[in-house]
Amino acid sequence: SAVISQKPSRDICQRGTSLTIQCQVDSQVTMMFWYRQQPGQSLTLIATANQGSEATYESGFVIDKFPISRPNLTFSTLTVSNMSPEDSSIYLCSVGVQGSAGELFFGEGSRLTVL
Amino acid sequence: AQKITQTQPGMFVQEKEAVTLDCTYDTSDPSYGLFWYKQPSSGEMIFLIYQGSYDQQNATEGRYSLNFQKARKSANLVISASQLGDSAMYFCAMRADDKIIFGKGTRLHILP
Repeated sequence: SAVISQKPSRDICQRGTSLTIQCQVDSQVTMMFWYRQQPGQSLTLIATANQGSEATYESGFVIDKFPISRPNLTFSTLTVSNMSPEDSSIYLCSVGVQGSAGELFFGEGSRLTVL
Repeated sequence: AQKITQTQPGMFVQEKEAVTLDCTYDTSDPSYGLFWYKQPSSGEMIFLIYQGSYDQQNATEGRYSLNFQKARKSANLVISASQLGDSAMYFCAMRADDKIIFGKGTRLHILP
């Protein structure tokens, strides 16, 4: 298993600003992902965070809006840029651990409200 | 393209009864995995059970079992002897092409 810490756990932001969410894992992991969960909705994959290279974004998500860094195997950041109220969501960091069944372990999420 | 479908937005079940949550999937990847997660009102994502595409037997974990019917592309979750604490959102998910996608979820209400 893996223990994942996300910061901030919640924040209230003004329209047009940017916020960076941090994800710290207690062990080295190969696979790291960022998901968004809008209110009352399912989880939508934003991107795969690749260590040492650019993230791989899913359809509908772009680097300019959601820049991602992954400087090493235990840490990643997701920035939500130029926020609008539609970006109000829970953002979840998740990791896959080798040797497990391949399931994802999740952080507690960062609940973002944009006014 | 990969797709996960959960057709039951919500279910009400009497305590101690068994409940089946439906999930169908579609993928062109011959090697894939299927998962169920529980999300209580606290928001955390709790992994429940996993089934690999090449597994011959249905997965079981305590009161949870996965009814895997490969030809029908279904992976239903069965919860036996339901408890009040089972009330939560349940998501079916699939791993294919090195990423995991989620269905829309089913909200399960257990009635006392």
